[in-house]
Amino acid sequence: DVKVTQSSRYLVKRTGEKVFLECVQDMDHENMFWYRQDPGLGLRLIYFSYDVKMKEKGDIPEGYSVSREKKERFSLILESASTNQTSMYLCASSLQGRGLNQPQHFGDGTRLSIL
Amino acid sequence: KNEVEQSPQNLTAQEGEFITINCSYSVGISALHWLQQHPGGGIVSLFMLSSGKKKHGRLIATINIQEKHSSLHITASHPRDSAVYICAVNNMDSNYQLIWGAGTKLIIKP
Repeated sequence: DVKVTQSSRYLVKRTGEKVFLECVQDMDHENMFWYRQDPGLGLRLIYFSYDVKMKEKGDIPEGYSVSREKKERFSLILESASTNQTSMYLCASSLQGRGLNQPQHFGDGTRLSIL
Repeated sequence: KNEVEQSPQNLTAQEGEFITINCSYSVGISALHWLQQHPGGGIVSLFMLSSGKKKHGRLIATINIQEKHSSLHITASHPRDSAVYICAVNNMDSNYQLIWGAGTKLIIKP
Protein backbone atom coordinates (compact mmCIF):
# COMPACT_ATOMS: atom_id res chain seq x y z
CA ASP A 1 0.00 0.00 0.00
CA VAL A 2 1.12 3.53 -0.74
CA LYS A 3 2.09 5.45 2.35
CA VAL A 4 2.11 9.23 2.36
CA THR A 5 3.34 10.61 5.65
CA GLN A 6 2.98 14.18 6.80
CA SER A 7 5.31 15.23 9.57
CA SER A 8 2.70 16.70 11.94
CA ARG A 9 -1.04 16.19 12.49
CA TYR A 10 -1.41 19.43 14.42
CA LEU A 11 0.83 22.49 14.41
CA VAL A 12 0.52 25.87 16.10
CA LYS A 13 2.74 28.74 14.98
CA ARG A 14 2.88 32.51 15.38
CA THR A 15 2.36 35.23 12.81
CA GLY A 16 5.55 36.00 10.94
CA GLU A 17 7.22 32.66 11.61
CA LYS A 18 8.68 30.59 8.79
CA VAL A 19 6.82 27.27 8.78
CA PHE A 20 7.88 24.01 7.17
CA LEU A 21 5.43 21.21 6.40
CA GLU A 22 7.05 17.98 5.32
CA CYS A 23 5.63 15.14 3.25
CA VAL A 24 7.24 11.80 2.40
CA GLN A 25 5.91 9.04 0.12
CA ASP A 26 7.29 5.54 -0.13
CA MET A 27 6.10 4.38 -3.56
CA ASP A 28 8.50 6.14 -5.92
CA HIS A 29 5.73 8.40 -7.26
CA GLU A 30 6.79 11.11 -9.67
CA ASN A 31 3.98 13.56 -8.84
CA MET A 32 3.49 15.23 -5.49
CA PHE A 33 0.94 17.85 -4.49
CA TRP A 34 0.17 20.28 -1.69
CA TYR A 35 -3.42 21.31 -1.07
CA ARG A 36 -5.19 23.35 1.53
CA GLN A 37 -8.73 22.58 2.58
CA ASP A 38 -11.08 25.13 4.08
CA PRO A 39 -14.75 24.66 5.03
CA GLY A 40 -17.08 25.16 2.08
CA LEU A 41 -14.23 25.63 -0.40
CA GLY A 42 -13.06 22.11 -1.06
CA LEU A 43 -9.44 21.33 -1.85
CA ARG A 44 -7.34 24.01 -3.50
CA LEU A 45 -4.01 23.23 -5.08
CA ILE A 46 -1.08 25.27 -3.80
CA TYR A 47 1.86 23.73 -5.66
CA PHE A 48 2.69 20.48 -7.36
CA SER A 49 5.86 18.80 -8.53
CA TYR A 50 6.25 16.25 -11.33
CA ASP A 51 9.93 15.51 -10.76
CA VAL A 52 12.84 16.27 -8.47
CA LYS A 53 13.61 19.99 -8.40
CA MET A 54 10.59 20.70 -10.63
CA LYS A 55 7.60 22.64 -9.37
CA GLU A 56 4.50 24.24 -10.78
CA LYS A 57 2.17 26.78 -9.20
CA GLY A 58 -1.33 25.67 -8.45
CA ASP A 59 -4.35 27.86 -7.89
CA ILE A 60 -3.22 29.64 -4.69
CA PRO A 61 0.60 29.79 -4.50
CA GLU A 62 0.84 33.25 -2.93
CA GLY A 63 2.60 33.19 0.43
CA TYR A 64 3.94 29.68 -0.11
CA SER A 65 6.99 28.04 -1.62
CA VAL A 66 7.99 24.41 -2.06
CA SER A 67 11.09 22.28 -2.22
CA ARG A 68 11.65 18.89 -3.84
CA GLU A 69 15.29 17.90 -3.45
CA LYS A 70 14.57 14.17 -3.33
CA LYS A 71 11.90 12.18 -5.15
CA GLU A 72 10.23 10.95 -1.98
CA ARG A 73 10.03 14.27 -0.14
CA PHE A 74 8.02 17.41 -0.91
CA SER A 75 8.13 20.32 1.51
CA LEU A 76 5.73 23.23 1.78
CA ILE A 77 7.12 26.45 3.21
CA LEU A 78 5.16 29.37 4.59
CA GLU A 79 7.69 32.16 4.26
CA SER A 80 6.05 34.46 6.82
CA ALA A 81 2.98 32.85 8.33
CA SER A 82 -0.22 34.86 8.53
CA THR A 83 -3.52 34.15 10.24
CA ASN A 84 -5.28 33.59 6.90
CA GLN A 85 -3.03 30.58 6.37
CA THR A 86 -4.73 28.76 9.23
CA SER A 87 -6.09 25.70 7.48
CA MET A 88 -5.87 21.95 6.91
CA TYR A 89 -2.95 21.11 4.63
CA LEU A 90 -2.98 17.88 2.64
CA CYS A 91 -0.14 16.28 0.74
CA ALA A 92 -0.73 13.77 -2.06
CA SER A 93 1.29 11.75 -4.53
CA SER A 94 0.58 9.88 -7.76
CA LEU A 95 2.32 8.03 -10.55
CA GLN A 96 3.04 10.08 -13.63
CA GLY A 97 1.38 7.45 -15.81
CA ARG A 98 2.50 8.78 -19.20
CA GLY A 99 -0.61 10.87 -19.59
CA LEU A 100 -2.94 8.28 -18.10
CA ASN A 101 -4.95 9.43 -15.17
CA GLN A 102 -3.73 8.11 -11.88
CA PRO A 103 -5.42 8.27 -8.49
CA GLN A 104 -3.81 10.50 -5.90
CA HIS A 105 -2.83 9.05 -2.53
CA PHE A 106 -3.19 11.37 0.42
CA GLY A 107 -1.53 11.86 3.76
CA ASP A 108 -3.58 12.33 6.93
CA GLY A 109 -3.28 16.10 6.78
CA THR A 110 -1.74 18.76 9.00
CA ARG A 111 -4.08 21.09 10.84
CA LEU A 112 -2.11 24.33 11.05
CA SER A 113 -3.12 27.20 13.30
CA ILE A 114 -1.41 30.57 13.01
CA LEU A 115 -1.89 32.76 16.07
CA LYS B 1 -20.07 28.92 -11.43
CA ASN B 2 -17.92 26.06 -10.15
CA GLU B 3 -16.69 23.62 -12.75
CA VAL B 4 -17.56 20.67 -10.49
CA GLU B 5 -20.83 20.82 -8.54
CA GLN B 6 -21.92 18.27 -5.97
CA SER B 7 -25.35 17.75 -4.50
CA PRO B 8 -26.57 17.60 -1.89
CA GLN B 9 -24.13 19.57 0.24
CA ASN B 10 -25.31 17.73 3.37
CA LEU B 11 -27.24 14.50 3.70
CA THR B 12 -28.55 12.78 6.82
CA ALA B 13 -30.15 9.35 6.54
CA GLN B 14 -31.09 6.35 8.64
CA GLU B 15 -29.04 3.18 8.71
CA GLY B 16 -30.03 0.87 5.89
CA GLU B 17 -31.15 3.56 3.46
CA PHE B 18 -29.97 3.72 -0.14
CA ILE B 19 -27.81 6.81 -0.61
CA THR B 20 -27.15 8.78 -3.80
CA ILE B 21 -24.67 11.63 -4.13
CA ASN B 22 -24.46 13.52 -7.39
CA CYS B 23 -21.65 15.24 -9.26
CA SER B 24 -22.01 17.43 -12.35
CA TYR B 25 -19.14 19.00 -14.24
CA SER B 26 -18.85 21.51 -17.05
CA VAL B 27 -15.40 20.78 -18.54
CA GLY B 28 -14.08 18.06 -20.81
CA ILE B 29 -12.62 15.34 -18.68
CA SER B 30 -10.44 12.31 -19.06
CA ALA B 31 -11.48 10.76 -15.74
CA LEU B 32 -13.63 11.35 -12.69
CA HIS B 33 -12.70 10.41 -9.13
CA TRP B 34 -14.76 9.75 -6.03
CA LEU B 35 -12.95 10.08 -2.72
CA GLN B 36 -13.91 9.69 0.93
CA GLN B 37 -12.73 11.81 3.84
CA HIS B 38 -13.42 10.70 7.39
CA PRO B 39 -13.37 13.08 10.37
CA GLY B 40 -9.73 13.60 11.24
CA GLY B 41 -8.68 14.42 7.71
CA GLY B 42 -7.31 11.48 5.70
CA ILE B 43 -8.65 11.16 2.15
CA VAL B 44 -9.04 7.81 0.45
CA SER B 45 -9.62 7.26 -3.24
CA LEU B 46 -12.76 5.16 -3.84
CA PHE B 47 -13.16 5.08 -7.62
CA MET B 48 -11.67 6.42 -10.80
CA LEU B 49 -14.06 6.33 -13.77
CA SER B 50 -13.90 7.27 -17.40
CA SER B 51 -17.07 5.49 -18.50
CA GLY B 52 -19.85 3.20 -17.31
CA LYS B 53 -20.05 1.87 -13.81
CA LYS B 54 -17.81 0.48 -11.08
CA LYS B 55 -18.73 -1.42 -7.93
CA HIS B 56 -16.79 -2.08 -4.76
CA GLY B 57 -18.65 -3.75 -1.93
CA ARG B 58 -21.69 -1.60 -1.12
CA LEU B 59 -20.43 1.32 -3.17
CA ILE B 60 -21.38 1.89 -6.81
CA ALA B 61 -20.18 4.73 -9.02
CA THR B 62 -21.66 5.58 -12.40
CA ILE B 63 -20.79 8.16 -15.00
CA ASN B 64 -22.65 9.54 -18.02
CA ILE B 65 -20.11 11.31 -20.20
CA GLN B 66 -22.73 12.82 -22.54
CA GLU B 67 -24.64 14.36 -19.66
CA LYS B 68 -21.45 15.25 -17.73
CA HIS B 69 -22.82 13.67 -14.60
CA SER B 70 -21.74 11.03 -12.11
CA SER B 71 -23.44 9.43 -9.12
CA LEU B 72 -22.10 7.64 -6.09
CA HIS B 73 -24.51 5.16 -4.52
CA ILE B 74 -24.24 3.44 -1.16
CA THR B 75 -26.48 0.42 -0.56
CA ALA B 76 -27.51 -0.72 2.94
CA SER B 77 -25.88 2.35 4.49
CA HIS B 78 -24.18 2.04 7.86
CA PRO B 79 -23.02 4.64 10.44
CA ARG B 80 -19.41 3.90 9.49
CA ASP B 81 -20.20 5.31 6.01
CA SER B 82 -20.52 8.75 7.64
CA ALA B 83 -17.89 10.89 5.95
CA VAL B 84 -17.41 13.62 3.39
CA TYR B 85 -17.58 12.31 -0.18
CA ILE B 86 -15.67 14.32 -2.75
CA CYS B 87 -15.92 14.30 -6.53
CA ALA B 88 -12.94 15.45 -8.61
CA VAL B 89 -12.23 15.44 -12.35
CA ASN B 90 -9.14 15.31 -14.50
CA ASN B 91 -9.41 18.21 -16.89
CA MET B 92 -8.52 17.05 -20.42
CA ASP B 93 -6.09 19.94 -20.70
CA SER B 94 -4.02 18.87 -17.70
CA ASN B 95 -2.57 15.50 -16.75
CA TYR B 96 -1.66 16.59 -13.29
CA GLN B 97 -4.31 18.74 -11.78
CA LEU B 98 -7.71 17.77 -10.51
CA ILE B 99 -10.72 20.05 -10.33
CA TRP B 100 -12.43 19.44 -7.01
CA GLY B 101 -16.03 19.53 -5.89
CA ALA B 102 -16.81 21.02 -2.49
CA GLY B 103 -17.84 17.68 -1.01
CA THR B 104 -21.02 16.12 0.38
CA LYS B 105 -21.17 15.56 4.12
CA LEU B 106 -23.03 12.31 4.82
CA ILE B 107 -24.31 11.32 8.25
CA ILE B 108 -25.88 7.89 8.74
CA LYS B 109 -27.84 7.60 11.98
CA PRO B 110 -28.21 4.21 13.69
